[in-house]
Amino acid sequence: NAGVMQNPRHLVRRRGQEARLRCSPMKGHSHVYWYRQLPEEGLKFMVYLQKENIIDESGMPKERFSAEFPKEGPSILRIQQVVRGDSAAYFCASSLEAGHTEAFFGQGTRLTVV
Amino acid sequence: GQQVMQIPQYQHVQEGEDFTTYCNSSTTLSNIQWYKQRPGGHPVFLIQLVKSGEVKKQKRLTFQFGEAKKNSSLHITATQTTDVGTYFCAAYSGGYQKVTFGTGTKLQVIP
Repeated sequence: NAGVMQNPRHLVRRRGQEARLRCSPMKGHSHVYWYRQLPEEGLKFMVYLQKENIIDESGMPKERFSAEFPKEGPSILRIQQVVRGDSAAYFCASSLEAGHTEAFFGQGTRLTVV
Repeated sequence: GQQVMQIPQYQHVQEGEDFTTYCNSSTTLSNIQWYKQRPGGHPVFLIQLVKSGEVKKQKRLTFQFGEAKKNSSLHITATQTTDVGTYFCAAYSGGYQKVTFGTGTKLQVIP
């Protein structure tokens, strides 16, 4: 049973480009969470999704950021027109049930904006 | 919104010493979870506490949930260099709500 798969592991983008981060939850998990972590800082919640639904996006910046979890395929976190301040590690977690019960994290995508 | 305070922010201990990190919430929680993140790694689930006053042990780690379900602690007995990392609590208030992570306690163990 594969764990949570995130790709790419490392992503370098120039300012103004788009970054697309993918997350495949554990098999059977329908709850997905995205977090951002700056160096030496904690995890900041961004968005909570179920299949085809955004449950809570209160942590998402209002502009340039969007997330989806389609019926088929991985969850996608999309950042348009990236800026240097978007450089961070982005982690995805999945859980079997609501409430983040025993959430499993992916290895993360380290985004660097140059 | 819910606030989760975690103290201390950093802790350096000599190998063999004990270590405790504390997590305090501004609201009553349904459950609290603890995660460990090694340097350069990703958070790994350690345990979930649900009941008021609950105490759980995993080898040298002891987890406690307060009677009022607003605070929790993680205690490590006789630390080892393998315990190095950042320990996060994650507070959950119920329903379709997000989990709020504490700021983490970074543990350094000096051999």
